[in-house]
Amino acid sequence: AQTVTQSQPEMSVQEAETVTLSCTYDTSESDYYLFWYKQPPSRQMILVIRQEAYKQQNATENRFSVNFQKAAKSFSLKISDSQLGDAAMYFCAYGESFTGTASKLTFGTGTRLQVTL
Amino acid sequence: DAMVIQNPRYQVTQFGKPVTLSCSQTLNHNVMYWYQQKSSQAPKLLFHYYDKDFNNEADTPDNFQSRRPNTSFCFLDIRSPGLGDAAMYLCATSGPWSGETQYFGPGTRLLVL
Repeated sequence: AQTVTQSQPEMSVQEAETVTLSCTYDTSESDYYLFWYKQPPSRQMILVIRQEAYKQQNATENRFSVNFQKAAKSFSLKISDSQLGDAAMYFCAYGESFTGTASKLTFGTGTRLQVTL
Repeated sequence: DAMVIQNPRYQVTQFGKPVTLSCSQTLNHNVMYWYQQKSSQAPKLLFHYYDKDFNNEADTPDNFQSRRPNTSFCFLDIRSPGLGDAAMYLCATSGPWSGETQYFGPGTRLLVL
């Protein structure tokens, strides 16, 4: 079974600074998907960024980018120019890749990000 | 706006009293998921529907059941809630292919007295 590990239960960053959240995973598959989801307090979880394992290029979405190291099974999230609205719980998730099946996810335990003035 | 809606947002039930949580979606997605998220833990997939096909996770207790009467609605039934079932229950939807983004509802927080 796949496992996802987030070793940083809490992180703090000052507004406008950059922070990196770590994620490692374990799988024997060569094709899969990786996600970062954000869960703000009392609000629904939303997708931050998505990476397909067969793509070597790291995904980027505005201020959010990933460092995907397939051999090391590492998938870190970098948030640049941090904003107060970035404060949330961030979950790393692994998605299976099987033809004709649903997008089942295995989540890590999350990293709570605080953004300070 | 297209979205995933969960009702109620908070549910209090008594030990052993059946409870039903509701999820609806306007995204017309094929797949609907139910996750259980306990405090400070990762969301854990209970089961999902791929259209009308029900897919149970191997470690989901029999106490948890689900119904999907149509594309838009999916229900989570807890037949005899125990204190250990107190959690946030998240509903999510996605398109039919693996790797697709899941869209989550706001969750229902269940309290068992």
